[in-house]
Amino acid sequence: DGGITQSPKYLFRKEGQNVTLSCEQNLNHDAMYWYRQDPGQGLRLIYYSQIVNDFQKGDIAEGYSVSREKKESFPLTVTSAQKNPTAFYLCASSIDAARTEAFFGQGTRLTVV
Amino acid sequence: GNSVTQMEGPVTLSEEAFLTINCTYTATGYPSLFWYVQYPGEGLQLLLKATKADDKGSNKGFEATYRKETTSFHLEKGSVQVSDSAVYFCALRGAQKLVFGQGTRLTINP
Repeated sequence: DGGITQSPKYLFRKEGQNVTLSCEQNLNHDAMYWYRQDPGQGLRLIYYSQIVNDFQKGDIAEGYSVSREKKESFPLTVTSAQKNPTAFYLCASSIDAARTEAFFGQGTRLTVV
Repeated sequence: GNSVTQMEGPVTLSEEAFLTINCTYTATGYPSLFWYVQYPGEGLQLLLKATKADDKGSNKGFEATYRKETTSFHLEKGSVQVSDSAVYFCALRGAQKLVFGQGTRLTINP
């Protein structure tokens, strides 16, 4: 089945540690995205990538880093510089970066203690 | 920049009631418009879409019409079910980015 896989579903880390969230897609989509969702709020764009080996900052990129070495993979690292990392993180992909819809993974809930 | 404004929730209805969730947008050019639905603890699922003015998107009894003159894309359903309880997001797609509204939590009571 084609889709977007995020892992793990739940992640716990101690404050000050970096953590990497995985996102893999087998839809052959060029564009991939990372969003952050906080309780009762909408989605905020962290980073996006339109093509392999290229990515751009979204609205809240500070404290996060990404890489796009393969078309199917777009991992997100939450660094110790991110002041409030506890949130629900959603990865998405779309055929291209034009007017098409995005498809989402099931999300990773990160809790930093 | 582009933005989306949804009616504030939460919205609580009885089963078989008529549903409207308002969505208005601000955008340059001709964006595509979407409604997504999110069930507890899950990612977002595309519910319906419209890519140009006067298009009507529909799915699972839900409908929304792209109104350029009023910059709106209101979600409607004639008879809601308990299983429709979820959070609904209106979104627009301009150049490169997908911009979301704040979401509207819908609860349907039997």
